[in-house]
Amino acid sequence: GAVVSQHPSWVICKSGTSVKIECRSLDFQATTMFWYRQFPKQSLMLMATSNEGSKATYEQGVEKDKFLINHASLTLSTLTVTSAHPEDSSFYICSATRIGGSNTEAFFGQGTRLTVV
Amino acid sequence: DAKTTQPTSMDCAEGRAANLPCNHSTISGNEYVYWYRQIHSQGPQYIIHGLKNNETNEMASLIITEDRKSSTLILPHATLRDTAVYYCIVRLNTNAGKSTFGDGTTLTVKP
Repeated sequence: GAVVSQHPSWVICKSGTSVKIECRSLDFQATTMFWYRQFPKQSLMLMATSNEGSKATYEQGVEKDKFLINHASLTLSTLTVTSAHPEDSSFYICSATRIGGSNTEAFFGQGTRLTVV
Repeated sequence: DAKTTQPTSMDCAEGRAANLPCNHSTISGNEYVYWYRQIHSQGPQYIIHGLKNNETNEMASLIITEDRKSSTLILPHATLRDTAVYYCIVRLNTNAGKSTFGDGTTLTVKP
């Protein structure tokens, strides 16, 4: 089956620093990847849609200058949390659909737990 | 995406069938029913999806009512490893990576 991998799985950073999270489709190409955020005991919330070679589309209420998304290739999208603060501590998850596939299945990464101290 | 309603939590005995209901009374004709699950501290995992016919795969069965206003996910022989939050999502059959997740049902499989 298709595999989506995130790196790192967890990260602790100091307040004010930036953190980059990678999302890779290991065995397929994806023109579109999606980034979600999940706070404790809450459901996943879509943050943005990442399109290869173009600007990301952000959901309402998500600051595009704070959450920088780059989708430089068909297998890699990155999310950078800039000037992180404790309230950004969350579980960040990406997903991707496969080019040439049925477009009906979404493959999710294992998630990245960010803790800002 | 059409709104879905799921029970907050359910228990199931190990080895028994787990039947997870989902109401989606506002589903439109071209929307599919998708099920995902999320085991604690992991990313969601695709389980199954369907339009109007019942579906079965190696993980589960999906029963959709004739009027398509509700569905049931069936795990035929639940194991402790099936303990997870199960999400029922109704959406178009495009851009499957973009989904609106509700609160889901927390299924606890007990020995």
